[in-house]
Amino acid sequence: SQQGEEDPQALSIQEGENATMNCSYKTSINNLQWYRQNSGRGLVHLILIRSNEREKHSGRLRVTLDTSKKSSSLLITASQAADTASYFCATEGSYNTDKLIFGTGTRLQVFP
Amino acid sequence: DAGITQSPRHKVTETGTPVTLRCHQTENHRYMYWYRQDPGHGLRLIHYSYGVKDTDKGEVSDGYSVSRSKTEDFLLTLESATSSQTSVYFCAISESAARGADTQYFGPGTRLTVL
Repeated sequence: SQQGEEDPQALSIQEGENATMNCSYKTSINNLQWYRQNSGRGLVHLILIRSNEREKHSGRLRVTLDTSKKSSSLLITASQAADTASYFCATEGSYNTDKLIFGTGTRLQVFP
Repeated sequence: DAGITQSPRHKVTETGTPVTLRCHQTENHRYMYWYRQDPGHGLRLIHYSYGVKDTDKGEVSDGYSVSRSKTEDFLLTLESATSSQTSVYFCAISESAARGADTQYFGPGTRLTVL
């Protein structure tokens, strides 16, 4: 099944630094989404970027999408300790857009 | 958590017993999903529903069944629980899939332990 794969699996940075996470996927998509999960909680939607968009911003978050390379990146600028969480990309199923396929996530640790 | 509740939040049960998890939404969204989350596997779809009485399998549906008799409720049943079904279960909802998969909103999760 199609799956987004995040890279790196884990990332540790200091407060104030930028954090970049990457996602690769296998087949064409209508959109790609990024979610955050704090420890012990459900996932929270961050950004949805459509296949005809190349870049999207939301506060300190910047998402890019390169459909030719089948990849996306999530940049968190000026990171804060509260950004410590796991981040997942999600893409549609190959034959069924009712479903999302999640990657295994990037664990981000931001040290004060 | 966007008007989604899951019950119970924690459950410990024994191998071979039936277990039912409930997801309840107040958003009137059409789609509802059940996922399980395990270390090293991320989120995996078990079953989902695209309307009342309309359900379909996900990638890890063996050993699970679902029912949706009302828009607001989606039940996940483990007919005979096994230790491999020890996991954290998340329910999610979304409004539509008209232009590709829509944003999903997640419940708080249910931690199930099968001894």
